[in-house]
Amino acid sequence: GEDVEQSLFLSVREGDSSVINCTYTDSSSTYLYWYKQEPGAGLQLLTYIFSNMDMKQDQRLTVLLNKKDKHLSLRIADTQTGDSAIYFCAEKAANAGNMLTFGGGTRLMVKP
Amino acid sequence: NAGVTQTPKFQVLKTGQSMTLQCAQDMNHEYMSWYRQDPGMGLRLIHYSVGAGITDQGEVPNGYNVSRSTTEDFPLRLLSAAPSQTSVYFCASSGSMTYEQYFGPGTRLTVT
Repeated sequence: GEDVEQSLFLSVREGDSSVINCTYTDSSSTYLYWYKQEPGAGLQLLTYIFSNMDMKQDQRLTVLLNKKDKHLSLRIADTQTGDSAIYFCAEKAANAGNMLTFGGGTRLMVKP
Repeated sequence: NAGVTQTPKFQVLKTGQSMTLQCAQDMNHEYMSWYRQDPGMGLRLIHYSVGAGITDQGEVPNGYNVSRSTTEDFPLRLLSAAPSQTSVYFCASSGSMTYEQYFGPGTRLTVT
């Protein structure tokens, strides 16, 4: 079945850039998403990219998609302590309706 | 709009007990789904529905039942709770023409 993989943990200093990586296996993915989860809270959609795009920028967030390598990354510029959270990559396959397959999440810790 | 609401927020059950987790949305979304979140495993799809009267199994359906008698509500039933069902449960909804899934705040369930 489909598989989405992420590294478990990332630590950066405040003001630095953070890059969170994700790989997926389903070549029929239509949309790829980044969700943010703060402690004790639900999932908040940060950004998404359609599979025919290479890059999407949204304020401090840049999403890069390498469809050939099935690699997705989320870059957060000027990382702030409020960015500390778990970040989930998710993909929606072409034949999956609106259902998503999630990665295990990357915990981002931002040190002051 | 309240969005996606879930009740209860927290629940403790004894092994063998049954209960229903409630989920409701007021956005007239066709798609609704239930996920469970376990540490390091992201969110895994339990059951989903593409419209009133239509449900289907996700990745981890065993031990759970669902029904969708109205567009707004999608309850998840645990027939005989087991410690392996200790998890955080998220309900989500989306419209057929949108890319975004809206998540509820979650229900934290502990089975002892």
